Amino acid sequence: GDSVTQMEGPVTLSEEAFLTINCTYTATGYPSLFWYVQYPGEGLQLLLKATKADDKGSNKGFEATYRKETTSFHLEKGSVQVSDSAVYFCALSDPAGGTSYGKLTFGQGTILTVHP
Amino acid sequence: NAGVTQTPKFQVLKTGQSMTLQCAQDMNHEYMSWYRQDPGMGLRLIHYSVGAGITDQGEVPNGYNVSRSTTEDFPLRLLSAAPSQTSVYFCASSSLGQNTEAFFGQGTRLTVV
Repeated sequence: GDSVTQMEGPVTLSEEAFLTINCTYTATGYPSLFWYVQYPGEGLQLLLKATKADDKGSNKGFEATYRKETTSFHLEKGSVQVSDSAVYFCALSDPAGGTSYGKLTFGQGTILTVHP
Repeated sequence: NAGVTQTPKFQVLKTGQSMTLQCAQDMNHEYMSWYRQDPGMGLRLIHYSVGAGITDQGEVPNGYNVSRSTTEDFPLRLLSAAPSQTSVYFCASSSLGQNTEAFFGQGTRLTVV
């Protein structure tokens, strides 16, 4: 079945540091890939997405590139801020896996803490 | 813009009690789902629905029931609460489609004692 694996956390960085959160996936077909972010006390919200190989999703300074050859979708940001402290989830949607459109498979989440 | 509304935000139950977590969306989305979030395990799908009158099981359905009588509402019922159901529960909705954005409620933190 489909699965998503994220790097172990938590991740602690100083403000303006470079961020990478690794994400790899296993899927039956050609999935769409997503990064969701969960700020303290809130639900998840979409950060960025990519729908086919070599697509780059970007938003709020974050980027991730869909790499089919390495089945990866790593999240990066060049200079993090304290306000980026949150939990980040990598996810995929794979209708070829026999499930209905809209169903998401999530990674375990990575806690990011940014200090001033 | 209400989006996805979940109630209650917090709940404490005794083992064996039943309750219903409410979820409503005002975006006319066909797809609705319930997840539970546990430390180190990400979000796991409990049940989902692709439209009114249609529901199906997800990854961890045991101990939970759902129904979808309207497009807007998708309640989750705990039949006989157990400590293993202590978790944070999220409801989500989206349009049908592989690339669509899922919208999440703020979550319900449930403790079963």
